[in-house]
Amino acid sequence: AQRVTQPEKLLSVFKGAPVELKCNYSYSGSPELFWYVQYSRQRLQLLLRHISRESIKGFTADLNKGETSFHLKKPFAQEEDSAMYYCAPGGNNRLAFGKGNQVVVIP
Amino acid sequence: DGGITQSPKYLFRKEGQNVTLSCEQNLNHDAMYWYRQDPGQGLRLIYYSQIVNDFQKGDIAEGYSVSREKKESFPLTVTSAQKNPTAFYLCASSAGVRQPQHFGDGTRLSIL
Repeated sequence: AQRVTQPEKLLSVFKGAPVELKCNYSYSGSPELFWYVQYSRQRLQLLLRHISRESIKGFTADLNKGETSFHLKKPFAQEEDSAMYYCAPGGNNRLAFGKGNQVVVIP
Repeated sequence: DGGITQSPKYLFRKEGQNVTLSCEQNLNHDAMYWYRQDPGQGLRLIYYSQIVNDFQKGDIAEGYSVSREKKESFPLTVTSAQKNPTAFYLCASSAGVRQPQHFGDGTRLSIL
């Protein structure tokens, strides 16, 4: 069965501090891995996907197939990073969304 | 912004009534999805469609129905069999099932 675990519901960090959002997944086959973000009063949108291996808004995500993890990291948090973040592995027919992490960046 | 349009933004349902939520996309995407978002639950998949005239149940399909008669449209009906329909409903589409999904603004359904 597909399962996504994002252990921390709420993460508060000070501006300039590093932020790491953990994601562990259980998914059959070789899933695509995505992180989605929802800023206040905006649509849920793609932040990044593992296949592109890029840094978006300073965020990177490392896929560890051995640990089945896809943690999201940013070395220096900014106030505009306050949002809801969802990890979503996807396969041949669907994505499975985690319950999300609420990130609050304290000025 | 365009792409995915959900309507209405707010919807109220009386007990025993069916209601239909609209979802239209102009992205020429093959795949479309309906999710339910409840506080602390994340997104749960209700139904999805990979191609016109075909759709599959997601994790919480009971009490819901869909149709996919046109590529650009994927309406969701919340039937009276859905005992706890109050929620925020999100529609999404993607070029393919392994491609990123694009989301609408959502519809908030409440029971009168």
